[in-house]
Amino acid sequence: DAGVIQSPRHEVTEMGQEVTLRCKPISGHDYLFWYRQTMMRGLELLIYFNNNVPIDDSGMPEDRFSAKMPNASFSTLKIQPSEPRDSAVYFCASTLSGRAKNIQYFGAGTRLSVL
Amino acid sequence: GQNIDQPTEMTATEGAIVQINCTYQTSGFNGLFWYQQHAGEAPTFLSYNVLDGLEEKGRFSSFLSRSKGYSYLLLKELQMKDSASYLCAVRVSGTYKYIFGTGTRLKVLA
Repeated sequence: DAGVIQSPRHEVTEMGQEVTLRCKPISGHDYLFWYRQTMMRGLELLIYFNNNVPIDDSGMPEDRFSAKMPNASFSTLKIQPSEPRDSAVYFCASTLSGRAKNIQYFGAGTRLSVL
Repeated sequence: GQNIDQPTEMTATEGAIVQINCTYQTSGFNGLFWYQQHAGEAPTFLSYNVLDGLEEKGRFSSFLSRSKGYSYLLLKELQMKDSASYLCAVRVSGTYKYIFGTGTRLKVLA
């Protein structure tokens, strides 16, 4: 399997612009997670889905952030409007339920810089 | 609240042994994970504990004490390639929510 695929790998944008991050989970996995990583706060869970349904979005910082999962093989995280404090690395991860360990497999991440 | 504490940074010498500690306070517990993350890369799974005791896998071992809310990752025969951040994470019981610590940056010196 190709693993979790994220795009773009790098995104540089100006404050106020809309940013869309994309993720393709591992085929067959039924859970998908969006994380944000910064030096100060580490890896923070933003939202996770089960079978394309959002289960917990309590980590989404504010209404400027939204996430969708229209089908089992695609998810987006959108920031509108973007602000400099949104600069971070955003990771997508997936896992398969029903296993003893439920290991999360992470994509390579999107490094976002908002100027 | 949910809280996971790890040391920010550690330094060790090639060939030595290092222990990275993790303490946690979470609303329920359903497993503790250790991930390795090299600079600029994604986290990758290292080990998993759900019962008290030691899990050994090659040069890496992980220990858990649920009553103390404590875990450690033990790395033996350190190699230069072990220089990375090590993330401790807890899965909250009844959910698929994972809480991560801020990570411990390990530097291995020659």
